[in-house]
Amino acid sequence: EVVLTQFPATLSLSPGERATLSCRASQSISSYLAWYQQKPGQAPRLLIYDASNRATGIPARFSGSGSGTDFTLTISSLEPEDFAVYYCQQRSNWPPLTFGGGTKVEIK
Amino acid sequence: EVQLLESGGGLVQRGGSLRLSCAASGFTFENFGMNWVRQAPGKGLEWVSVMSGSGGATYYADSVKGRFTISRDNSKNTLYLQMDSLRAEDTAVYYCAKSPTFIAAHLDSWGQGTLVTVSS
Repeated sequence: EVVLTQFPATLSLSPGERATLSCRASQSISSYLAWYQQKPGQAPRLLIYDASNRATGIPARFSGSGSGTDFTLTISSLEPEDFAVYYCQQRSNWPPLTFGGGTKVEIK
Repeated sequence: EVQLLESGGGLVQRGGSLRLSCAASGFTFENFGMNWVRQAPGKGLEWVSVMSGSGGATYYADSVKGRFTISRDNSKNTLYLQMDSLRAEDTAVYYCAKSPTFIAAHLDSWGQGTLVTVSS
C-alpha cells in the first residue's frame, strides 16, 4: 500500500500570502496524484489531478507540481475562502486508493 | 451538472447492517467508475470501495473486505453499499464519489455524504 505523508500538518498564514503544501509518497507514483480541498461540513472538492492539471472551475492561483515521490500544492495568494483542509490522493498503485492525512491551512 | 445524493445512513447497533444508496444525475452513469469514501469524525479520508461502470469489477479496502458489498443499478443511476457486521470503527460520513474513467482514478465529483453511526 502506498502511504502518503502530508506536511506540515497545519499551516498558519494570512490572506494574500503564498501557501506551499507538501505530499510525499512511500514509493514512486509517477504523476498519479490528486489534491482536494475540504471545508468544514462539506464534501471534498477536486482541485488538481495527475499532479499538475487543474480541475474544471478551479482558480489559477492553485497549482500542483512534482512527480515520483514528492509533490507540492501551491496557492499563490490566499483568499479568505481558501482556508480549509487539503488532502492528497494517489491512484498509481491500487487498490487501495490512498489519501494523505491532510494539511490544515488556517488564518494566522 | 453532476449531482450525487447519498441516503440510508443512520444509527445501527454493532453487528447490524445498513444499506446506503447514491442517486446520480447529470452524466452517463454506466460509463464511469463509482466509489465509496468514508471519513470518521474529525479524521481524514479513507477509500472504501469502487465498482467499474459496467459493474463487472469491484475492489475493496482491507478494512471492509468480506463485510461490505458495493453494487450498482445502471437502469436507475444508483450506487449502493451494503454494510454488514458493522463495527464501531465503521462510524463515519460515507461519500459516494465519481471517477472520471471506467474504474478508479481521482475523484472528480462527490456527494454531500451520509452519516453512519455504529453504537457499541
